[in-house]
Amino acid sequence: AQKITQTQPGMFVQEKEAVTLDCTYDTSDPSYGLFWYKQPSSGEMIFLIYQGSYDQQNATEGRYSLNFQKARKSANLVISASQLGDSAMYFCAMRDLNAGGTSYGKLTFGQGTILTVHP
Amino acid sequence: NAGVTQTPKFQVLKTGQSMTLQCAQDMNHEYMSWYRQDPGMGLRLIHYSVGAGITDQGEVPNGYNVSRSTTEDFPLRLLSAAPSQTSVYFCASRARGYGYTFGSGTRLTVV
Repeated sequence: AQKITQTQPGMFVQEKEAVTLDCTYDTSDPSYGLFWYKQPSSGEMIFLIYQGSYDQQNATEGRYSLNFQKARKSANLVISASQLGDSAMYFCAMRDLNAGGTSYGKLTFGQGTILTVHP
Repeated sequence: NAGVTQTPKFQVLKTGQSMTLQCAQDMNHEYMSWYRQDPGMGLRLIHYSVGAGITDQGEVPNGYNVSRSTTEDFPLRLLSAAPSQTSVYFCASRARGYGYTFGSGTRLTVV
């Protein structure tokens, strides 16, 4: 079964500094995708970045990068140059690309990390 | 605006009442799904659909029904609301590939 673990319930960072949010995962499927979502206080789920298990390079999207260490089964999100607007809940999620039945297309989410950016 | 639209945004129900949460997308996505979000548990899959006329259960389907008569709409029905169904509900759709688009959520309270 898939499992996502986010061990940091809360993180604090100073504005303009970088921060790393941890995510480890467990799956027996060799083909999977890893996602990070941001949920601000308004409640919507905002897609940030995606990493495929066979991608050779770490994914980057603007100030977001994913530190993918396949052997360690970790997919940490790095936010560079933090901004006040980055304060939110962040979820790591995974999808097994070969899953079927009740797990088809299913995203498995971690419990989330609340990031607070201080001015 | 293109995206996933959920209605209502807030709802209070009495135990035993039924209601339908609406979800519509205008991106011609084949895959649609419903999740519930509870504190400390992330999001969990309730039901999903891979196209009009095709639905299947996720990991927490009990107490919920779905149907998919059109590509655009994927309503979630609560048959007899229970306090355990108090949650925030998200609808999400996905085109071929990996990108999921989430609606803005429905906050449901069952008293």
